[in-house]
Amino acid sequence: EVQLLESGGKLVQPGGSLRLSCEASGFTFNIHAMTWVRQAPGKGLEWVAGISASGSSTYYSDSVRGRFTISRDNSLNTVFLEMNTLGAEDTAMYFCAKGGRGIWPFDSWGQGTLVSVSS
Amino acid sequence: QSVLTQPPSTSGTPGQTVIISCSGGRSNVGTKTVDWYQHLPGSAPKLLIYSTNKRSSGVPDRFSASKSGTSASLAISGLQSDDEGDYYCASWDDSLNAYVFGTGTKVTVL
Repeated sequence: EVQLLESGGKLVQPGGSLRLSCEASGFTFNIHAMTWVRQAPGKGLEWVAGISASGSSTYYSDSVRGRFTISRDNSLNTVFLEMNTLGAEDTAMYFCAKGGRGIWPFDSWGQGTLVSVSS
Repeated sequence: QSVLTQPPSTSGTPGQTVIISCSGGRSNVGTKTVDWYQHLPGSAPKLLIYSTNKRSSGVPDRFSASKSGTSASLAISGLQSDDEGDYYCASWDDSLNAYVFGTGTKVTVL
């Protein structure tokens, strides 16, 4: 059974940084792309960033490019999201999701980790 | 604001069919495949349809999807109370070089 367990979400001050982790199990991690999707309170889903199976290619939405970095450690079956210069607009539930050979679609999702940006 | 537009809400009685539209453009729906996700309250999102009209593993055939030009649609037949939740279309956008979700549609079972 595919399992994706996100962690690292918490309350952080504006301008701060945070690192999210997503530990995967139940599938061959190093042949699947991974992605992060977020949902702000009362809003819809927003794709944030994706990374290829090898980690050699990364993709970002305009709203986070230059501030967020997605990476993975295939030896740990874990994908990360490094978030810098956080603002109130980054407050959201962050979901980790598993892709296929390509970045999309996302056929398995975690339960999410909550990031709140507030002073 | 998303480049994929969906109606904010739709509703139906048990057993009825509801259809959700997804309007995009030539840089996304018009030239790319469309995926559909279901997000039920308190649950993780779930992939329903990929590559425009293929049901994901375990998804009942009550769910079907199609595309014409720059618009796509998801049909839910034999509506059940368990179907109540939010539904999103999604597609890669060549102009944005990003995967975009639709604005989302809340399905209510009356």
